[in-house]
Amino acid sequence: GENVEQHPSTLSVQEGDSAVIKCTYSDSASNYFPWYKQELGKRPQLIIDIRSNVGEKKDQRIAVTLNKTAKHFSLHITETQPEDSAVYFCARGLGYSTLTFGKGTMLLVSP
Amino acid sequence: GAVVSQHPSWVICKSGTSVKIECRSLDFQATTMFWYRQFPKQSLMLMATSNEGSKATYEQGVEKDKFLINHASLTLSTLTVTSAHPEDSSFYICSARRHGKETQYFGPGTRLLVL
Repeated sequence: GENVEQHPSTLSVQEGDSAVIKCTYSDSASNYFPWYKQELGKRPQLIIDIRSNVGEKKDQRIAVTLNKTAKHFSLHITETQPEDSAVYFCARGLGYSTLTFGKGTMLLVSP
Repeated sequence: GAVVSQHPSWVICKSGTSVKIECRSLDFQATTMFWYRQFPKQSLMLMATSNEGSKATYEQGVEKDKFLINHASLTLSTLTVTSAHPEDSSFYICSARRHGKETQYFGPGTRLLVL
């Protein structure tokens, strides 16, 4: 079945540094890859998503890259700020099917 | 926008009682809504998929008679936890999706504590 592995489980960086979170998936038919940010006790919020017909997408300090051959995708956050501290979840989907989520990465950005 | 609300935001109940949680899409029509459960410091676990006007599809291991789902309109889905027990205590989050779109928008969650 579908499986999503997410690494690392925790990531600590200094303010201004870059952060990279990686996810791998098992179902090669997957074609939709969203990333969600969840602050403590709050709802997951979509921060960026990518579809399988493109290899990279960028939105200001956030970018996502997709390698379909290797079946992995990554979230890149540049110039990190303390307010980027949260848990980040990757997910994969196929068409309008359900999403399978990774286990999450707790990002801590220290001032 | 794509705003999803949930009510109540938190609830405390006695063991054996039933609790209803509402999920509403405020500014769009949601043909599909999803119900998740999240334990502390863990990922989102899909419980069921709710399609407007049809029966919900439950994930393996989720008791459909215990977690009743109703999606009676394009903007409202409800989850009823029947005969709640302490092990049902958790954070329940819904999400909603527009027809023909993959993106899921999440509600703020409902924290349930069963005493």
